[in-house]
Amino acid sequence: KAGVTQTPRYLIKTRGQQVTLSCSPISGHRSVSWYQQTPGQGLQFLFEYFSETQRNKGNFPGRFSGRQFSNSRSEMNVSTLELGDSALYLCASSLWTATNNEQFFGPGTRLTVL
Amino acid sequence: GQNIDQPTEMTATEGAIVQINCTYQTSGFNGLFWYQQHAGEAPTFLSYNVLDGLEEKGRFSSFLSRSKGYSYLLLKELQMKDSASYLCAVGTDSNYQLIWGAGTKLIIKP
Repeated sequence: KAGVTQTPRYLIKTRGQQVTLSCSPISGHRSVSWYQQTPGQGLQFLFEYFSETQRNKGNFPGRFSGRQFSNSRSEMNVSTLELGDSALYLCASSLWTATNNEQFFGPGTRLTVL
Repeated sequence: GQNIDQPTEMTATEGAIVQINCTYQTSGFNGLFWYQQHAGEAPTFLSYNVLDGLEEKGRFSSFLSRSKGYSYLLLKELQMKDSASYLCAVGTDSNYQLIWGAGTKLIIKP
């Protein structure tokens, strides 16, 4: 079974630009969560989608948005990029049932904002 | 609020044993996860505890006490490749997210 894939793996942008990151979950997983991770920091929760619905959102400004498609693939968008948005962005998929909420992570997209 | 505490950094010697602690305060509990993350890589699943007690998996064991809001990850026969960050995460009954600790950076010395 293929794992979680994320594209692109690396991205360099300048301040003020916008960026779209993509995540394809494991087949059969309908839950996709997005995290931001900066050096030395834990995982900061951005949002979670399940069957195209955003069920939860972390404490990030409105410049961060996301969506999920009917095939469970998800995208996140960051508009008006700031230097502080430089980070590793991780996507994780899960079955998210009452008894199974283990998350499987993709390799991440490393975003550098200049 | 919801909070998970782990030591920031630990150092141990190759071949030794190390215990990484995690304490949590969350609204509801639906299991506790340990993940390993090597520098620059994605976290990978190590263990899951939902009932009190010890779960053993090779060189790694994880313990949970729900009444104390406490877990530990025990790593035996340490190898250099065990140098990584170890993340503790708790599932709650609602809000569809895992609550993550900041991670413990484990440094293994020869």
